[in-house]
Order: sequence, then C-alpha cells, then structure tokens
Amino acid sequence: DAEITQSPRHKITETGRQVTLACHQTWNHNNMFWYRQDLGHGLRLIHYSYGVQDTNKGEVSDGYSVSRSNTEDLPLTLESAASSQTSVYFCASSPTGINYGYTFGSGTRLTVV
Amino acid sequence: DQQVKQNSPSLSVQEGRISILNCDYTNSMFDYFLWYKKYPAEGPTFLISISSIKDKNEDGRFTVFLNKSAKHLSLHIVPSQPGDSAVYFCAASGNTPLVFGKGTRLSVIA
Repeated sequence: DAEITQSPRHKITETGRQVTLACHQTWNHNNMFWYRQDLGHGLRLIHYSYGVQDTNKGEVSDGYSVSRSNTEDLPLTLESAASSQTSVYFCASSPTGINYGYTFGSGTRLTVV
Repeated sequence: DQQVKQNSPSLSVQEGRISILNCDYTNSMFDYFLWYKKYPAEGPTFLISISSIKDKNEDGRFTVFLNKSAKHLSLHIVPSQPGDSAVYFCAASGNTPLVFGKGTRLSVIA
C-alpha cells in the first residue's frame, strides 16, 4: 500500500544545532508540503514543492529550508534550531495539479532545548 | 491576518445529537473547502469537501454547507458518536496550498 512516512517520530535537540526531518512518500505524488502545528495557531505552511527541483516558501519559512532531488522525498532542515521551533511537524502530499486531498504523515514532534 | 477562522476552540455534544462546527474565510479567491479530522498523535485525515459551485455536500453522517455570500461554511455531524471526538480543521484552497484554520476540538459525551 502507498504511504507517507515521517522520521523520526520524536526528536529532542539543542538550540543552535542543525536538524533534518525526513518525509518519504510512495504515492508518486508530485506535490509535497510541510506544515507545523502549534496550540492556538492550527496548521501553518512552512515550505512546499510541486516537483523535482521546485521549492517554495510558505507562511512561516524563516529558519527552515527544503530540497527536492526526487519525487519521493522532501526533507525539512532547521538550519540553527531555536526554541520557537519546538512544534509538531507534518508532511503531506497530493497528486499533480490538485491543491486539495492532501495525505498527511503521522508527524514529528520536535523539542528544542 | 487569518484567512480561515474557526472561532470556537472547543465544542461538547451529547452522543446521538447533532454537532455543528463553523468556519469563516476572508479570501474571495478560495474555491474549494475541506474538513480534516485529527486524532492525537496522528496526522490529519480528510473528511469531506465542497466546491464553491455547490452549497451542500453529504457523505453519510457528515454534511458540509457553504454560504458564499457570507463566506461561511459549517460541518454537521448527525448523529454524533464518541468516536467523532477529535480536532476538526477547516481548510481552503484557491490554486494555492491549503490554508487551515486553528481547529475545533469536538468532544462527544456518551
């Protein structure tokens, strides 16, 4: 069965460290997205990609970067982790040309201490 | 500035009764609206959607109503069941990535 997996499920890191969160999907979807979920803010878009070598900034992109070298993966990198980046991170994917019907991963809970 | 607003952070309903979750939006370019359901420690899952050319869409116990003039949509769950207890997110799209509201936590009491 096709799926979208995120790893790790939980991560604790120190302020200032570089952290990479993985997202891998086997749906063969061209569109991939990263959101963060925080109490009182809902889901906010960090970065997204509509295909290989395509990346775009979302609403809360400062301090984050992504790269898309293949269809299956969209890793999210925190260049220098800050306590404000403590959050739950969700990756999602959707078929080409469709901006709805996202399939979400199970999330990564990141704590920056 | 919030483009999708869910003004009720929480809602409690008795089992068997109707649950009504509300959502307002400000961007006139939105043309597709969705509801997602989220259980703790899981990712959001798609529940039901509606295109701006319709004013109602039903799927079993779930119905979404869209009032374009008021920029308002609502999700009705009838009858509510304990398994419906979750956080519900309203989302909207207008040829852009989905924009989500802050969510409403629904508790269905047996």
